[in-house]
Amino acid sequence: GAVVSQHPSRVICKSGTSVKIECRSLDFQATTMFWYRQFPKQSLMLMATSNEGSKATYEQGVEKDKFLINHASLTLSTLTVTSAHPEDSSFYICSAVSSRGNYGYTFGSGTRLTVV
Amino acid sequence: AQSVTQPDIHITVSEGASLELRCNYSYGATPYLFWYVQSPGQGLQLLLKYFSGDTLVQGIKGFEAEFKRSQSSFNLRKPSVHWSDAAEYFCAVGAKNNDMRFGAGTRLTVKP
Repeated sequence: GAVVSQHPSRVICKSGTSVKIECRSLDFQATTMFWYRQFPKQSLMLMATSNEGSKATYEQGVEKDKFLINHASLTLSTLTVTSAHPEDSSFYICSAVSSRGNYGYTFGSGTRLTVV
Repeated sequence: AQSVTQPDIHITVSEGASLELRCNYSYGATPYLFWYVQSPGQGLQLLLKYFSGDTLVQGIKGFEAEFKRSQSSFNLRKPSVHWSDAAEYFCAVGAKNNDMRFGAGTRLTVKP
């Protein structure tokens, strides 16, 4: 079945530094990937939609200069949290949609970001 | 715009008892509906999905869900709950190649 690998699973960084999170579709091509954010004991909130070869579309209220998304290939999308602050600490999850239209919406295992 | 409501924030059931988690959606067209389960600190695992056809959908781990268009509902059921089913459950609505909107989640506690 479709597998999405997300790396790293956990990261701790200092305030002011940048962190890159990778989302890879291992056995299928993903023309579209989605990035979600989940605060403790809350639901997932869509941050942005990433389409291969084009600029990401950000949801209202999400700072595109802070959360840089790059979808350079059909199997890889990255989310870079720039100049991280403690309030950016959260659980970030990506999902990928197969270019074949298999609407399984496979999710990565998530990345727990802690900014200290 | 699509939205999902999970009315129950927290449900406690005894092991072996039946379970029903409620989900109501709002969507302008025929929705794609999903149920996911999340264990603490983990990602999401797809339990089942509905796109079209038979309104009773079978999923993994003995779960099933029924799509009721007239009630805009997609409730998740399991006839006999196991202690390992304790987790957070999310209902979601989406569309072809589009993003998903998630409900707030229902936390399931299983009593021995």
